[in-house]
Amino acid sequence: MQLAESGGDLVHPGGSLRLSCTASGLTVTDNYLTWVRQAPGKGLEWLSVIFADGRTYYADSVKGRFFVSRDQTNNTMYLQMNSLRPDDTALYYCAREAVALDYWGQGTLVTVSS
Amino acid sequence: AIQLTQSPSALAVSVGDRVTITCRASQGISTDLAWYQQQPGRPPKVLIYDASTLESWVPPRFSGSGVGTVFTLTISSLLPEDFATYYCQQFKTYPFTFGQGTRLEMK
Repeated sequence: MQLAESGGDLVHPGGSLRLSCTASGLTVTDNYLTWVRQAPGKGLEWLSVIFADGRTYYADSVKGRFFVSRDQTNNTMYLQMNSLRPDDTALYYCAREAVALDYWGQGTLVTVSS
Repeated sequence: AIQLTQSPSALAVSVGDRVTITCRASQGISTDLAWYQQQPGRPPKVLIYDASTLESWVPPRFSGSGVGTVFTLTISSLLPEDFATYYCQQFKTYPFTFGQGTRLEMK
């Protein structure tokens, strides 16, 4: 099983960005998938989950700004990030949730700066 | 949201030392807790889930214990490859919050 994030970039404050998490060896619609981020030199922050039935849940820090979706055809999960702020600067990981977060991607870097 | 507080935040240790890291939850979470190890520049790897169950790759010098609000991760005799940052995470209630991390540094 592998997860691979992409889409990270430098974006201005107030801008938007969409991250992708492409899965191999697992089907995105059969699993609970999460987004976790890590600001430079800081700890891990849980952001969101999308359940197998498509329901989503978000951390308060991103609720109303970030939105998770998935595409069965491409076996990919997405994180649409709007109204980005400098404190959203981080390495963004996707991970599979089972009894723990047992499979992680390598992360994609998002930098929010003017 | 459930808050997890790890202690200490950093620990200076030597090879061969016994290391204990504590994770305290702001409310009871039964045994719905996992521990991760993160090496610099790498994603985290799960060590322990359900508070005390070791992942298949984890050597037996690692152990986890606890229930309710207080949990511990113990490394019985530290090896060089164990210098890393360790995080706890609760799986009782969304959002599945993490502790702030404990960094093991060489003494």
